[in-house]
Amino acid sequence: GAGVSQTPSNKVTEKGKYVELRCDPISGHTALYWYRQSLGQGPEFLIYFQGTGAADDSGLPNDRFFAVRPEGSVSTLKIQRTERGDSAMYLCASSGRPVDTQYFGPGTRLTVL
Amino acid sequence: DQQVKQNSPSLSVQEGRISILNCDYTNSMFDYFLWYKKYPAEGPTFLISISSIKDKNEDGRFTVFLNKSAKHLSLHIVPSQPGDSAVYFCAASSLAGGTSYGKLTFGQGTILTVHP
Repeated sequence: GAGVSQTPSNKVTEKGKYVELRCDPISGHTALYWYRQSLGQGPEFLIYFQGTGAADDSGLPNDRFFAVRPEGSVSTLKIQRTERGDSAMYLCASSGRPVDTQYFGPGTRLTVL
Repeated sequence: DQQVKQNSPSLSVQEGRISILNCDYTNSMFDYFLWYKKYPAEGPTFLISISSIKDKNEDGRFTVFLNKSAKHLSLHIVPSQPGDSAVYFCAASSLAGGTSYGKLTFGQGTILTVHP
């Protein structure tokens, strides 16, 4: 079946702009995670959804970052007033149950000029 | 505060030989450990995992060893193949305590190159 998909694959924006990154999890997966990976580092946890609710958003770096999952499937990560330091690979993962193996999408490469 | 560390940024191995990738952790609440492999332009792919109640788990050419007292785990690949060349990430989670939903804490990754 289809894996986790993320759009766009690449996003270039200017400092101060607003961006939205989309994640389509594997069908039927109730748990969804967002991670951010900077160059030369491993992925860092941002936020976890169980169903429609954000069960843990402790990894979001500041209030410019927000994520939603209104119908318990597709999720959107929203970044306001982007800064150059936001440039990174943004990865989404889903799992059938919270403790099951997480399957990752290919990521969205965000570049803030 | 790097709770999961992979101290070797890169490893080069000859085809057919053993590759050993190492990982150390500091958080004693971690009770489930995973290895992911990542090719360029792709997301991480799950490889193998181990629960803290075990000290070894095998899956084909891949074996993960866990030494809880030393807070150390390693991934052995035998025999190594050129297609194994990728970045390998060690990850840990706390299923029994702390967060029960499998939030992953990753190491920095090790670039494995297997030469023909």
